[in-house]
Amino acid sequence: AQSVTQPDIHITVSEGASLELRCNYSYGATPYLFWYVQSPGQGLQLLLKYFSGDTLVQGIKGFEAEFKRSQSSFNLRKPSVHWSDAAEYFCAVGGTGNQFYFGTGTSLTVIP
Amino acid sequence: DAGITQSPRYKITETGRQVTLMCHQTWSHSYMFWYRQDLGHGLRLIYYSAAADITDKGEVPDGYVVSRSKTENFPLTLESATRSQTSVYFCASSESRDGEAFFGQGTRLTVV
Repeated sequence: AQSVTQPDIHITVSEGASLELRCNYSYGATPYLFWYVQSPGQGLQLLLKYFSGDTLVQGIKGFEAEFKRSQSSFNLRKPSVHWSDAAEYFCAVGGTGNQFYFGTGTSLTVIP
Repeated sequence: DAGITQSPRYKITETGRQVTLMCHQTWSHSYMFWYRQDLGHGLRLIYYSAAADITDKGEVPDGYVVSRSKTENFPLTLESATRSQTSVYFCASSESRDGEAFFGQGTRLTVV
């Protein structure tokens, strides 16, 4: 069955520090992978997506993610976090079906 | 305005009442989705639609009904609201079944 695991419920980082949010997926075929960000009281906004090709994908706001098939992972990274990055981050997997499967989210706190 | 809009943004209803959440998109996207967001569960798919007059169940469809008589609208009805349906509901649309999903602002529903 398809599923997405985000093992970190909450992460706190200092402003300017690097960030890595973990995402592991289970999918029977080649997955389409997404990272979304949700600011408080808002809907979800797409940060980046991976369909095929280069396994390192660049997204908006300086984020990047790397697809590692051998580890079934799609971790999100940012070299230097800004206070405005504080939000909830969701990893999602889709594919040939009509559904996206979301992880439970990682809440990011940025301290000055 | 272009985009995807949900109404109402906030709703309080009583147990046993019927309530309908509205979703409207202006892009003519084929695919539309309803998710509920609950702490510890992330986003779970309730129903989705691949086109007008085509709907299908997602992960948690019980207690909900959808319709899609027009491409741009995808209302979600709780036939007899229960307290367990207190949640934040997100509507989304997508141009293709594997493409980026665009989310509405969400409807916070409280069932008392």
